[in-house]
Amino acid sequence: DQQVKQNSPSLSVQEGRISILNCDYTNSMFDYFLWYKKYPAEGPTFLISISSIKDKNEDGRFTVFLNKSAKHLSLHIVPSQPGDSAVYFCAAPWGSYNTDKLIFGTGTRLQVFP
Amino acid sequence: DGGITQSPKYLFRKEGQNVTLSCEQNLNHDAMYWYRQDPGQGLRLIYYSQIVNDFQKGDIAEGYSVSREKKESFPLTVTSAQKNPTAFYLCASRAGLINSPLHFGNGTRLTVT
Repeated sequence: DQQVKQNSPSLSVQEGRISILNCDYTNSMFDYFLWYKKYPAEGPTFLISISSIKDKNEDGRFTVFLNKSAKHLSLHIVPSQPGDSAVYFCAAPWGSYNTDKLIFGTGTRLQVFP
Repeated sequence: DGGITQSPKYLFRKEGQNVTLSCEQNLNHDAMYWYRQDPGQGLRLIYYSQIVNDFQKGDIAEGYSVSREKKESFPLTVTSAQKNPTAFYLCASRAGLINSPLHFGNGTRLTVT
């Protein structure tokens, strides 16, 4: 059962415009979410996170929005740059301190073209 | 520079052979993880360890084994029992703070023919 879902496998956006990447989850007990960015043949790098007590978190060009009632979060990149072209994963921690693990979505490949 | 080192970057093996992937971290993190990435399937958890000499199975542990004899090291052995071993393997670690993010290595691409 895929608890974290990214239903769009790919997204293509023109440089300078907004990129919106979406993520849905099924487990209402999730209380924290993270976004990772991954270039080919490299490990993912942490981008931004949000706690369920907030509905928005902003870091420079990146903003994550959380809609708990819809079990939906989105990552906005404004303005998009060619260097943003990568695969983006959303993830949620699950479990107690001694058994916690990070559950990842399937990823969305973003391509930013000139 | 602190980080996670995975070696080798590319690994080729014949079917039926066991192979061990190395993961070393100098971040002084307690927890370490192994994930596998396949096209269209995101990252799936193989094994994780919260502390030295202890580890737990993840979602797809069958055909894999791990050890955690030192805090810095968490090697993964892909055994001949793993039915589809060809994949991109990622090691990660994190500090023992709740909700702290994972730090990933740059991965090992294993190809079994």
